[in-house]
Amino acid sequence: DTAVSQTPKYLVTQMGNDKSIKCEQNLGHDTMYWYKQDSKKFLKIMFSYNNKELIINETVPNRFSPKSPDKAHLNLHINSLELGDSAVYFCASSQIDGEPQHFGDGTRLSIL
Amino acid sequence: SQQGEEDPQALSIQEGENATMNCSYKTSINNLQWYRQNSGRGLVHLILIRSNEREKHSGRLRVTLDTSKKSSSLLITASRAADTASYFCATFQTGANNLFFGTGTRLTVIP
Repeated sequence: DTAVSQTPKYLVTQMGNDKSIKCEQNLGHDTMYWYKQDSKKFLKIMFSYNNKELIINETVPNRFSPKSPDKAHLNLHINSLELGDSAVYFCASSQIDGEPQHFGDGTRLSIL
Repeated sequence: SQQGEEDPQALSIQEGENATMNCSYKTSINNLQWYRQNSGRGLVHLILIRSNEREKHSGRLRVTLDTSKKSSSLLITASRAADTASYFCATFQTGANNLFFGTGTRLTVIP
């Protein structure tokens, strides 16, 4: 059973488009996260979210917005895609902040 | 910057040898965690050490933490080709809500 699953695995699209990445966890965790991993493998937190609070990394452009229909899902919407958005995006979850996180296998986003 | 830094950036060893990776950070922490990332996959949690602990073991892994020097090390003993991956440290800092990941060490174990 996949604990944290993301779809799609690959996303190739043109500059200016709007796209979404879906994330689901079946671990019953209360907190979910989105990370961006650049070409140098640096992993940067974008959002953390539980059923009470959304924490946004202030450096993330407001073109990025997380949406959580329920505790098991945290989707990432990206508007007006730019070349610099090309990266691998990871969803993760944990029971509470600071405890081990479980990661999905990532979505590789390529902007043409 | 809140991220940790890992040293070395890349490490290549023969199967059976030990591999040591180091992580340095800058702020007070509640815990420090190590993760492994295989190519094309997500990160996998390996071990967590709390700020009041100095050493922890899990199978072939040994982690040390020196809060006075703000540093940690990960030792993998008797390495195997399957240990080839990138290894990241992550700190859960006092007053923060999330983990801050280091820059990673790319380990290659040659069969």
